[in-house]
Parts: sequence; C-alpha cells; structure tokens
Amino acid sequence: GESVGLHLPTLSVQEGDNSIINCAYSNSASDYFIWYKQESGKGPQFIIDIRSNMDKRQGQRVTVLLNKTVKHLSLQIAATQPGDSAVYFCAENVPPGGADGLTFGKGTHLIIQP
Amino acid sequence: DAGVIQSPRHEVTEMGQEVTLRCKPISGHNSLFWYRQTMMRGLELLIYFNNNVPIDDSGMPEDRFSAKMPNASFSTLKIQPSEPRDSAVYFCASSNLDEQYFGPGTRLTVT
Repeated sequence: GESVGLHLPTLSVQEGDNSIINCAYSNSASDYFIWYKQESGKGPQFIIDIRSNMDKRQGQRVTVLLNKTVKHLSLQIAATQPGDSAVYFCAENVPPGGADGLTFGKGTHLIIQP
Repeated sequence: DAGVIQSPRHEVTEMGQEVTLRCKPISGHNSLFWYRQTMMRGLELLIYFNNNVPIDDSGMPEDRFSAKMPNASFSTLKIQPSEPRDSAVYFCASSNLDEQYFGPGTRLTVT
C-alpha cells in the first residue's frame, strides 16, 4: 500500500548549522502534511504544517517545502540548537482529511553536536 | 489547558492480564486518536473517534484490543488478555481540525 517514508534515519549536524530533513510520500491524493518533533520520553509535538496548494511555509527557524511533482517534503531548521535534538516525523493526510487520521513516516533522528 | 492527559504513564503487567489505558482529550476537541509506537513499526494509528463515535478501527491489531469513548472527555483502550508483543508506548491524541495534539504516552511492558 501507499506509505510515507523518510530518506535518512539519522542526521548529525553541528550546533549553529542549518539542517534539512527529507520525507518522501507516495500518495498523490494527500493534501495536508505535518512535521512533528518527538523528544525522548515525550509525545510528538506539532512543528509546522502545509497544505498541498502551497509549496513553502515558514515558521520560527523552520521552513517546510513541498514538491508535489516528485512527492517530496522537507523540513529546514535554521541555526540548530541543542534543543532541536529529537526524532522528526512527517505525516500526511489523505482527503477527506480532518478526522481521518494521519499516516506517519518512520522518523529521522536529528543529533546536534556541540 | 493541561493538554491531552494519559494515565498511567507506565504500566508493567504479566501476560494474560487485562490492561486499561486512559485518555482525557483537550476540551473542545471533537476527534480522538489512539496510536501505538514501537521501534520496529514506528507510529501506528489504532483507532479514532469523531464526536465520541468510532470511525475507523482498522488499525486495531486483533480482538484482544478494544476502545471506548463514553463521553467527550474520556476514552479507554483495553487489552485483554495482554501479550508480550503488546509492549509499546501508546499515545492518545486529540484534534479539532487537522493538527493533532499528543499526550505524553503510556509505556506498556508485558512480561
């Protein structure tokens, strides 16, 4: 079946550098995407979302890019900090969306090195 | 708001025993989701409710698992009888639109 997947299971970056976490999705009908951050021992926490009618959305130090042509989603974190160390999940929602639930990728572990 | 509340935070039980996990969603949210997270399978949706009604339980592994939502502020996930392979972290999440807010999870260990 169709699923959400991640290119890299572990990403290590130097503190202060920018990081990019990638996600491939296979369901072309997906119209809503979310990035979640999960710290050790905690539940996933919403970071940023994007709808399929957009190709870029910016938050505080984070930017999500959506390329529908190649079904690719990325999360850019600027000037990484130690607190950014976590597992990051992308999730997609297929219409009709809303209460239908999300399909999560396996996750990428981001490690911030001092 | 205190966010999504789950109890207990940790549960250790012997196989064959009944386990009940509890969740209190964020007030005003009309959807509630139960997820299971393991290293091998990642985050899996088990079941979700909309306005207290189960909408999709296709993710429930087998008949040993059952979930209820008797009112808008409370839901339970029950495993009876529990097995070692049920060991995982179980998350409850609630939402009003698209974004889901997750609880801290219940770490279940079945020995």
